Amino acid sequence: RKEVEQDPGPFNVPEGATVAFNCTYSNSASQSFFWYRQDCRKEPKLLMSVYSSGNEDGRFTAQLNRASQYISLLIRDSKLSDSATYLCVVSETNTGNQFYFGTGTSLTVIP
Amino acid sequence: NAGVMQNPRHLVRRRGQEARLRCSPMKGHSHVYWYRQLPEEGLKFMVYLQKENIIDESGMPKERFSAEFPKEGPSILRIQQVVRGDSAAYFCASSPLLAGGYNEQFFGPGTRLTVL
Repeated sequence: RKEVEQDPGPFNVPEGATVAFNCTYSNSASQSFFWYRQDCRKEPKLLMSVYSSGNEDGRFTAQLNRASQYISLLIRDSKLSDSATYLCVVSETNTGNQFYFGTGTSLTVIP
Repeated sequence: NAGVMQNPRHLVRRRGQEARLRCSPMKGHSHVYWYRQLPEEGLKFMVYLQKENIIDESGMPKERFSAEFPKEGPSILRIQQVVRGDSAAYFCASSPLLAGGYNEQFFGPGTRLTVL
């Protein structure tokens, strides 16, 4: 069983649409959660950390459900520049240990 | 403050040769991680190092692969006797020393290894 599972998509949505990505993780001891964004042939870049209480950054909202071991990312008012692969990332400790990556969800925003 | 630096960006090797990939972490970061990304796949953890110590190498293949992070200089990922299956993008990430809290990792641009 994979540590982190994501729907690979692809998601093709029109500009202005709202889109949601989901992710589940297998280790209940996981403590740190992130969404990273990876553009084609580029390195992953942090989009946002995911806090237990949920958090919002502009058009992006992340939610964590520890009981269900589930993480979500909501993107409102999609822009063309949001087209990328979104990586769900889970870490088991808060002390700089390894990250477990999902395989990523591909998003294409269509004009 | 320069980000994580990796070189070379592209590396071509013939089967049986050695590949050396270098990573300089962000200034002030003492933790280095190496990941491998095969075409159309997700990133897979390989090894986690601090200065002069390997903390976790559970993702490293048992043979041909080694990593170091010396007291001075960059971290090195070394692949001996490369095979075609080693062709991938190798990303290095670094993070600061944290006593607690969220341990964001910052990624370098990657080295794309092609084995002919």
